[in-house]
Amino acid sequence: GAGVSQSPSNKVTEKGKDVELRCDPISGHTALYWYRQSLGQGLEFLIYFQGNSAPDKSGLPSDRFSAERTGGSVSTLTIQRTQQEDSAVYLCASSLVRGLVNTEAFFGQGTRLTVV
Amino acid sequence: GDSVTQMEGPVTLSEEAFLTINCTYTATGYPSLFWYVQYPGEGLQLLLKATKADDKGSNKGFEATYRKETTSFHLEKGSVQVSDSAVYFCALWNTNAGNMLTFGGGTRLMVKP
Repeated sequence: GAGVSQSPSNKVTEKGKDVELRCDPISGHTALYWYRQSLGQGLEFLIYFQGNSAPDKSGLPSDRFSAERTGGSVSTLTIQRTQQEDSAVYLCASSLVRGLVNTEAFFGQGTRLTVV
Repeated sequence: GDSVTQMEGPVTLSEEAFLTINCTYTATGYPSLFWYVQYPGEGLQLLLKATKADDKGSNKGFEATYRKETTSFHLEKGSVQVSDSAVYFCALWNTNAGNMLTFGGGTRLMVKP
């Protein structure tokens, strides 16, 4: 597609349920990032995929969070046993990294997650 | 680890006023620096960037100069418009930090007519 696509755009879930958030990056982009943006806050890094390298999971806040990227393209962020503090906008971004050069990171519109 | 610090908002200005949003960073090596903007109800989009010391990024009347000696990348605009009201994020990308894209906390700008 023309840009980074995220789905769903909005998700309301009950506390304790599992959720899956999807990100379709721009075709050919090797790098994919997940961030979380809580109301009125900055961007909190969650996880980073680059090509076939092992992902950088250093930002995942707990073991309830996991992510995968299949075939170097689509990524899914899974939150198990959701808690109210997980409520936030989850943003995905992709960019093309060639060696030491990183081009612009393009962001999706985000998924607004509300845990009730 | 790498970090980006921005001035806290909100910043409230009248139309045609001069804007400065301060951004300083801590990083090893030679990171690339970015300003992203998030307009109300929209996603983040790149505003401008600079990839090496003394580079000046510019777009839509906004400018920022990569100052390695002061580790800063302050955003400026000579005459703001109501349409510039948004949240601005300073960010850095550093190959020395595993290609991480690190963001500051964001600064909300409100421009009044």
